[in-house]
Amino acid sequence: AQKVTQAQTEISVVEKEDVTLDCVYETRDTTYYLFWYKQPPSGELVFLIRRNSFDEQNEISGRYSWNFQKSTSSFNFTITASQVVDSAVYFCALKTASKLTFGTGTRLQVTL
Amino acid sequence: KAGVTQTPRYLIKTRGQQVTLSCSPISGHRSVSWYQQTPGQGLQFLFEYFSETQRNKGNFPGRFSGRQFSNSRSEMNVSTLELGDSALYLCASSLAGSGREETQYFGPGTRLLVL
Repeated sequence: AQKVTQAQTEISVVEKEDVTLDCVYETRDTTYYLFWYKQPPSGELVFLIRRNSFDEQNEISGRYSWNFQKSTSSFNFTITASQVVDSAVYFCALKTASKLTFGTGTRLQVTL
Repeated sequence: KAGVTQTPRYLIKTRGQQVTLSCSPISGHRSVSWYQQTPGQGLQFLFEYFSETQRNKGNFPGRFSGRQFSNSRSEMNVSTLELGDSALYLCASSLAGSGREETQYFGPGTRLLVL
């Protein structure tokens, strides 16, 4: 069985603060992919990043960065200098040969 | 390239009715997956279609069905609607769908309200 846990249900920060969204996954597969998606109020899931199980190199894209640690089965997402437009629900997902499994999501609220 | 499109965006139905939702994938994508999103259950996989064949199915009752056409467009149908079917239905497309590395790109969803 596979599982994705996003323990943080809701996070509230003030603009310009840094924020980290946690994601912990479980799978018996040795080859898998991890994803992060953003869901703004409009409802569409927007793809942010994909990472394979053999690549533990951290990635930075503008204000976004991702930290993948296989030893702790975690794939955390950090937003630096958050902005109001970052307010959304963020989903972590795990893809194995059989299916794509989503976490329950973390609602991020960024206020002025 | 145009993204995944879904129609209609909003729908109100009453219990017992049936509904058909439509999804047009990104050009060149041949796999279409459907998900149901509710506050209580989160994002749940309904089914996946590839080359007009259902390749994978989630744990939903037979009232939920789908199909895919030769142009990769897909429809899903829910018969005998129940109040609990009120949800956001998301469609996602990918090139071929079977590889772990394939990214699914999502449409804006159809919000279904069953009264």
